[in-house]
Amino acid sequence: QKEVEQDPGPLSVPEGAIVSLNCTYSNSAFQYFMWYRQYSRKGPELLMYTYSSGNKEDGRFTAQVDKSSKYISLFIRDSQPSDSATYLCASFYSSASKIIFGSGTRLSIRP
Amino acid sequence: KAGVTQTPRYLIKTRGQQVTLSCSPISGHRSVSWYQQTPGQGLQFLFEYFSETQRNKGNFPGRFSGRQFSNSRSEMNVSTLELGDSALYLCASSNEETQYFGPGTRLLVL
Repeated sequence: QKEVEQDPGPLSVPEGAIVSLNCTYSNSAFQYFMWYRQYSRKGPELLMYTYSSGNKEDGRFTAQVDKSSKYISLFIRDSQPSDSATYLCASFYSSASKIIFGSGTRLSIRP
Repeated sequence: KAGVTQTPRYLIKTRGQQVTLSCSPISGHRSVSWYQQTPGQGLQFLFEYFSETQRNKGNFPGRFSGRQFSNSRSEMNVSTLELGDSALYLCASSNEETQYFGPGTRLLVL
């Protein structure tokens, strides 16, 4: 079992829709959770990171962590075609531990 | 604050050659990690350096090596290149809370 599981998609939604991207993890020691966006042929770009459980909002993006169910979510409101990319979730528990990445979900926003 | 920089951005080599990639982390970050990304395998962890010492290592053969200098800059070396080494090589620098990626070096092995 992978430590961080992510549905690879692809996920296709119409412009303006709310997008929900999800990951599950197995290591209960994980404390830090990140979401990256990666456009084709570019390096991953950090979107948001959270520590422990709870929600964090940044513009149209909301990251949510539920440690009781080991569930990580990223919500995108009012989705735009420019949001079309691969989204990667990642987790780790201390600065000395490896960061574990999900396999990425390919998202396509239809105009 | 400047982001993570990687050089070169693109590279073409032939089988059997060796290659050295360079990464400059964000100022103040002491941890540098290297990843290989391919369409088939996704993002795979190579190794991490912290204060000039390798702290974590992935499951790659010994042809893949790295080092970190006292100014936190890091280099990655691949010897005896194989066709399967063609990939995007990403460097990431970390503080205690998160990790930031560079733009990557796209390596093509012919």
